[in-house]
Amino acid sequence: GAVVSQHPSWVICKSGTSVKIECRSLDFQATTMFWYRQFPKQSLMLMATSNEGSKATYEQGVEKDKFLINHASLTLSTLTVTSAHPEDSSFYICSASGQSNTEAFFGQGTRLTVV
Amino acid sequence: ELKVEQNPLFLSMQEGKNYTIYCNYSTTSDRLYWYRQDPGKSLESLFVLLSNGAVKQEGRLMASLDTKARLSTLHITAAVHDLSATYFCAVVPITGNQFYFGTGTSLTVIP
Repeated sequence: GAVVSQHPSWVICKSGTSVKIECRSLDFQATTMFWYRQFPKQSLMLMATSNEGSKATYEQGVEKDKFLINHASLTLSTLTVTSAHPEDSSFYICSASGQSNTEAFFGQGTRLTVV
Repeated sequence: ELKVEQNPLFLSMQEGKNYTIYCNYSTTSDRLYWYRQDPGKSLESLFVLLSNGAVKQEGRLMASLDTKARLSTLHITAAVHDLSATYFCAVVPITGNQFYFGTGTSLTVIP
C-alpha cells in the first residue's frame, strides 16, 4: 500500500505554545487528507477533512482557530495546535487518500503531551 | 448523527477458539474498512469492503459486508496470541468521503 509519513512521532511542549504536525504522502498524490484525534482507549475522532488548495472542513465541536490545518500541496498537510493546553494531549493521526478515493492510508501518529 | 457501533467492546478469548466481532452503522454506505491497532501505534489496514455481499479473508480473519442490514462482521478462526489488538471498523457515507470509526473492540487472546 501507499506510504504516509507523519512527523514528529511524539512531542512534549509547554502549555501556551503551538505545535505543528506534518503529514506527507510519499508515493502518491493525496487529494484529500484527514486528521483524527484519539484519546487513550477510545476510538478515532475525525477532526477535519482537507482538500488540496482549499479550506479544511471541520467536524462539529472542533475549533478551527485552535487546530489550524493547511493542505498546500498534494503531498503535504499540516496540523498546528495553537496555544496548546494539557487537555489537548492526545494521539493525533492523519490519513490520506488519492484520486480513486476508495482507500485511505494512515500516518504513524503523533503523541502530543502538553505540560 | 452518524453512529458506528462495534460489539463487543472488549473480548477475551482462548487460543484456538472462534469469535465474531460486529459493526453496525447508521448511514447509507457501500464502503467499509477494518483496521487493527496495536498499543501506541497507528492503524494497519486489514480489509476493504466495497460492495454488498463482499467477503474477504486473510489468514485467520474473514470480513463480510451486508449493506442492506448496515452490518459488517469480522470473524476470527482459531485465534492465536498474535491477534491480540484493538480492531476498528470504519464506514464512509455514500454522500461523502470521510471515514467514521467504530467504537473499537479490544481483543485479548489468552494462551
